[in-house]
Amino acid sequence: GAGVSQSPSNKVTEKGKDVELRCDPISGHTALYWYRQSLGQGLEFLIYFQGNSAPDKSGLPSDRFSAERTGGSVSTLTIQRTQQEDSAVYLCASSLVPLAGGPVEQFFGPGTRLTVL
Amino acid sequence: AQSVTQLDSQVPVFEEAPVELRCNYSSSVSVYLFWYVQYPNQGLQLLLKYLSGSTLVKGINGFEAEFNKSQTSFHLRKPSVHISDTAEYFCAVSEVRSYIPTFGRGTSLIVHP
Repeated sequence: GAGVSQSPSNKVTEKGKDVELRCDPISGHTALYWYRQSLGQGLEFLIYFQGNSAPDKSGLPSDRFSAERTGGSVSTLTIQRTQQEDSAVYLCASSLVPLAGGPVEQFFGPGTRLTVL
Repeated sequence: AQSVTQLDSQVPVFEEAPVELRCNYSSSVSVYLFWYVQYPNQGLQLLLKYLSGSTLVKGINGFEAEFNKSQTSFHLRKPSVHISDTAEYFCAVSEVRSYIPTFGRGTSLIVHP
């Protein structure tokens, strides 16, 4: 079946512009994650959605970052007034919700490479 | 809080040689441990995971990892690497009952002919 898809694959923007990044999770996966991957920095957690629960936004680096998930499926990450330090690869992952206390196996999309000039 | 340290940012190795990628974690509770691989311009793919039971875990592509609770380590090994193993490898830890894993900074495995 189809995996996690993200669009666009590459985005070049000018400093100060807003950008929207899209994630289509695997059908039936109720959990969705956004991560930022900067060179040499590994994966930085940004936000987590689970079903209809309030999202865990604890990883968002500033109020310029926001995300929403419509209909429990597609998610959009929005970065307002982009800065050069926002340049990174933005990865989306989805998963089934595990049984209580069980492990989460995440399935990742290919990412969106954002370049802010 | 959980944390993960990948001790080597880059590991160069010749084809058919053995390799070990190191991972140490920190947590005050029981954890699940994962290794993911990321090929160029692709997302992360699960290599293997430790949940419980046997401390030696076998994954795809001939990789294996050993959970060592006393050393708080989960090192990844392969007895003979191929050129195609060149990729970025990430170790991740997830505390039991936490749905948000923490990832290490990654180790770039470079296999030379």
